[in-house]
Amino acid sequence: EVQLVESGGGLVQPGGSLRLSCTGSGFTFSSYEMNWVRQVPGKGLEWISYIMSGGSPIYYADSVKGRFTISRDDAKNSVYLQLNSLRAEDTAIYYCVRKTVGTTWFDPWGQGTLVTVSS
Amino acid sequence: QSVLTQPPSVSGAPGQRVTISCTGSSSNIGTRYEVHWYQQLPGTVPKLLIYANTYRPSGVPDRFSGSKSGTSASLAITGLQAEDEADYYCQSYDISLSAWVFGGGTKLTVL
Repeated sequence: EVQLVESGGGLVQPGGSLRLSCTGSGFTFSSYEMNWVRQVPGKGLEWISYIMSGGSPIYYADSVKGRFTISRDDAKNSVYLQLNSLRAEDTAIYYCVRKTVGTTWFDPWGQGTLVTVSS
Repeated sequence: QSVLTQPPSVSGAPGQRVTISCTGSSSNIGTRYEVHWYQQLPGTVPKLLIYANTYRPSGVPDRFSGSKSGTSASLAITGLQAEDEADYYCQSYDISLSAWVFGGGTKLTVL
């Protein structure tokens, strides 16, 4: 079974940092492009970052560019998202999602990890 | 403000047909890039429902269908069932933003 499991969410103060992790199983992790998508509870979906198989290129949404950093470790079947300079508006559920090379849809989605930015 | 525009809500009685629209522009849906749809049941994560405009992943009932024309796309659900009550999101790629974009989501209520 293909599975993505996120971890690392929690409560952080404005201006703080957090590192999210996502571990995949049930598929050849290194062959897939990985993304992070977030959702403010009760609101819509926002794509925020992409990393190609092999680690390059990398893309970010304008809303997080310069503050968030995506990386991957294929030996550990994992993708990471470093969140710096966090703001209240970054409060959301962060989903790790898989994308197949040559396609533009996301499948599957992890269960998500909640990041709350508050003092 | 989402790049793709969806109605906030739609409703229908069991057995009826409903459609959900997704309106974009010449930099996203109006390009060669396809439209995809996700279903998010209450309290769960989004699930791929329709990909590449019209295709259903294995396990998705044929009551769900998708279409794309010009700068818009639609999701149709026939034979509405209570378990279809969920939020539905469209998604595509925007060449001007160089970003994957979503609609704001549509809440389907089964009356």
